[in-house]
Amino acid sequence: GIQVEQSPPDLILQEGANSTLRCNFSDSVNNLQWFHQNPWGQLINLFYIPSGTKQNGRLSATTVATERYSLLYISSSQTTDSGVYFCAGRRGGSEKLVFGKGTKLTVNP
Amino acid sequence: EAQVTQNPRYLITVTGKKLTVTCSQNMNHEYMSWYRQDPGLGLRQIYYSMNVEVTDKGDVPEGYKVSRKEKRNFPLILESPSPNQTSLYFCASRATGAWANVLTFGAGSRLTVL
Repeated sequence: GIQVEQSPPDLILQEGANSTLRCNFSDSVNNLQWFHQNPWGQLINLFYIPSGTKQNGRLSATTVATERYSLLYISSSQTTDSGVYFCAGRRGGSEKLVFGKGTKLTVNP
Repeated sequence: EAQVTQNPRYLITVTGKKLTVTCSQNMNHEYMSWYRQDPGLGLRQIYYSMNVEVTDKGDVPEGYKVSRKEKRNFPLILESPSPNQTSLYFCASRATGAWANVLTFGAGSRLTVL
């Protein structure tokens, strides 16, 4: 099956800083998604982004499908951005969604 | 409100005592899935279902059963729980079709097997 590698595993920021999270896939995937798990454990879908760039407020994501990676940008970080960010994808024709191990983000006031 | 509802949210049980974690969605989604989350391992898929009476194994199905008798419900059954099934479990659903890719997750069920 496909392997999903996320970096960095941990990230500590001061409020107001910007950050970039990366997700690499071992094989071509579609249905690439980014999720945020807040400190209470709730999982929220941030982006569905099989290719191209999308923006939602202070967050944006870019996927370069031909090079098998995706980036999540967080600008002007806030303490509420803390949590774990996961990327996930599945191969065409497969219903198995494979997750990376996540990037744990801590934003300090 | 569109949501996926899991119960119980927290459970402590003992080895070998059968238990069921229920999952229900009110969005008329065809696809439903169960994941377990363990420290350092991310989320791993246990089972998924494409529609009523259609289920398939994910990456870590051993020790689990599922059923899909109704479209809205997808219970996870642990016939004989063991301590290595102590984990945080998530149910999720989505519509199917080329345009339907966004997963909606339940709030999670934290299970401890002693």
